[in-house]
Amino acid sequence: DTAVSQTPKYLVTQMGNDKSIKCEQNLGHDTMYWYKQDSKKFLKIMFSYNNKELIINETVPNRFSPKSPDKAHLNLHINSLELGDSAVYFCASRPTKGNEQYFGPGTRLTVT
Amino acid sequence: AQSVTQPDIHITVSEGASLELRCNYSYGATPYLFWYVQSPGQGLQLLLKYFSGDTLVQGIKGFEAEFKRSQSSFNLRKPSVHWSDAAEYFCAVARMDSSYKLIFGSGTRLLVRP
Repeated sequence: DTAVSQTPKYLVTQMGNDKSIKCEQNLGHDTMYWYKQDSKKFLKIMFSYNNKELIINETVPNRFSPKSPDKAHLNLHINSLELGDSAVYFCASRPTKGNEQYFGPGTRLTVT
Repeated sequence: AQSVTQPDIHITVSEGASLELRCNYSYGATPYLFWYVQSPGQGLQLLLKYFSGDTLVQGIKGFEAEFKRSQSSFNLRKPSVHWSDAAEYFCAVARMDSSYKLIFGSGTRLLVRP
C-alpha cells in the first residue's frame, strides 16, 4: 500500500547514456513533482504536473524531459547523462485541496 | 524571492535532552511552512505543517513547531530526543500560487549521543 513509489531505487550508468525514472502515486492526487537532491543534500524543484499538464519547469537542462501518461504517473527521462546529474531524485504528489506534499523514497542516480 | 535559512548545519544532542532546530524564512505573505525529516537512505517524511491559526503546531513523533511572524521563524522543537531521531531535518516554505512548489532550507543534521 505504498503511497508514492519510484523505480528504480538505485541507478548506476555511464556518461552519455539515456535513462528513465518512474514515479507512481496511488493517493488520487492531481499534482506531482520532481525534486533533485544534490550531494550536499540541497533539494530543489525541477518539474510539476497537474492532471497531466506541465505547470512548473524550473531552469533544468533540455536533456531532462518529464512525461505524465496519466495523473497517477510522472516519469523523468534524462538524455546524454553527465557526471553532474548524479543525485537523488525525489518524486512527490499533492492533493488538489491540500498543501502538503508526499514524497517517494527517492532514486539515487550515479553517473560514472 | 522566497528563501529558507537553516543556520545550523549540524546539531548534536544527548539522548533525552531537548532539541530546537532553527528555521527562518523570507516570504511576502503569510507562508505555508513545513518540516520534513529524512532518515539515512530514506525519503522525506512530513513532520508537521503550518498554514494559519494557532502558531504552535503539533506533529508526529512528539515534535512541535512555533510560527513567529515577527521573527520570520518556524523553529522545530522536541522536549526529549530519542536515538531514532538522528536524521536530516528540512524546513520548507510553499509558494502560494497554483504550483505550491516547495522551497527548502539546506537542512540540519541531528546527531544523538547515547
